[in-house]
Amino acid sequence: SQKIEQNSEALNIQEGKTATLTCNYTNYSPAYLQWYRQDPGRGPVFLLLIRENEKEKRKERLKVTFDTTLKQSLFHITASQPADSATYLCALDPIYNQGGKLIFGQGTELSVKP
Amino acid sequence: DGGITQSPKYLFRKEGQNVTLSCEQNLNHDAMYWYRQDPGQGLRLIYYSQIVNDFQKGDIAEGYSVSREKKESFPLTVTSAQKNPTAFYLCASSIGQGESSYEQYFGPGTRLTVT
Repeated sequence: SQKIEQNSEALNIQEGKTATLTCNYTNYSPAYLQWYRQDPGRGPVFLLLIRENEKEKRKERLKVTFDTTLKQSLFHITASQPADSATYLCALDPIYNQGGKLIFGQGTELSVKP
Repeated sequence: DGGITQSPKYLFRKEGQNVTLSCEQNLNHDAMYWYRQDPGQGLRLIYYSQIVNDFQKGDIAEGYSVSREKKESFPLTVTSAQKNPTAFYLCASSIGQGESSYEQYFGPGTRLTVT
């Protein structure tokens, strides 16, 4: 069956450390993978998109990797801050490169302690 | 000030009543989407529309209906046939075609409680 899975357990880290979140998928062949941030009671906000032919993408303190062999994406936040505390969602295109439709993982809650 | 608006933020209904959730965007986006989010779960796609007067069922369309008569509006009706309607509903939009279409912009959500 097709699945997209993220760490279901919350990730608790100390301020200043690097947070690493994982997104694994099964029986999909996505053209791209996206990461979103969601704060409690609010809609998700787009962070980064990485394409299948890109190994790594960076934006300020954020870094995303995409390994199509392992069927996995890693999302890193370096020098984490308490303001980074939120739930992070990964999403992919379930039908290769068509229509903008996305399938989302269940999200990983990140808590950064001062 | 461009964006997506959803109203109301909180909605309470009695079981057996239909209810319509509003979604409006002024981003000039072609594609619009409705998702449902339950506690501890990801977003599940209810319906989506890539162009005016056309829409497709998502993964959990049963008990819901939509219309897309205008580019900027994509209302969702939760019917009495939906067995577990209490949830957080999110509307999103994207440009529609081309590489930049894949980024979705989300509204603030409507929390629906049915008792």
